[in-house]
Amino acid sequence: EAGVTQSPRYAVLQEGQAVSFWCDPISGHDTLYWYQQPRDQGPQLLVYFRDEAVIDNSQLPSDRFSAVRPKGTNSTLKIQSAKQGDTATYLCASSFFRASNTGQLYFGEGSKLTVL
Amino acid sequence: GDSVTQTEGPVTVSESESLIINCTYSATSIAYPNLFWYVRYPGEGLQLLLKVITAGQKGSSRGFEATYNKETTSFHLQKASVQESDSAVYYCALGSNTNKVVFGTGTRLQVLP
Repeated sequence: EAGVTQSPRYAVLQEGQAVSFWCDPISGHDTLYWYQQPRDQGPQLLVYFRDEAVIDNSQLPSDRFSAVRPKGTNSTLKIQSAKQGDTATYLCASSFFRASNTGQLYFGEGSKLTVL
Repeated sequence: GDSVTQTEGPVTVSESESLIINCTYSATSIAYPNLFWYVRYPGEGLQLLLKVITAGQKGSSRGFEATYNKETTSFHLQKASVQESDSAVYYCALGSNTNKVVFGTGTRLQVLP
């Protein structure tokens, strides 16, 4: 089966520019996650969805970050007015919500963002 | 909040030596967390290594083992004899029944030939 697909793989911006990241989860997976992983740190949850509904976006900087999953399949994470502190790899993951598999995520290769 | 603390890296061991990477968790909003070890090998994406969803149980994969200890809130990763191919970054994680997953900061392991 196809894995989680992310694009673009790399992005380089000047401060103040905007960028969008796209994620295509594994077919049939109802839960989709966006994580931010700064260099040499662990993945930090930004937001996650079940189908098209946001379950938790409490760690998403809402003034500049937004995420949508309008049809419960693909998702877009957008950063407006990027800052140097946004430099990180943005990971998308998906899973199928089922008690016995809770927490077993399948990750994409990530989108590496550098803000100059 | 919910959090995971693990051994700071890098950890360097020689091939055939034993390994332990410590992981402790705090689950303030999750009554019965699930515990995981994920791994990122060089040039590859993050992937699940092993999981345990019941306290007191042990999980194993690729020669690695970890036991879910609710009393000490620990989930240490162990291997009796490491190989050079085990060189990677290892992440301890905890999950809730809503599928929220929190990761530790990761431990980079280098195995010397």
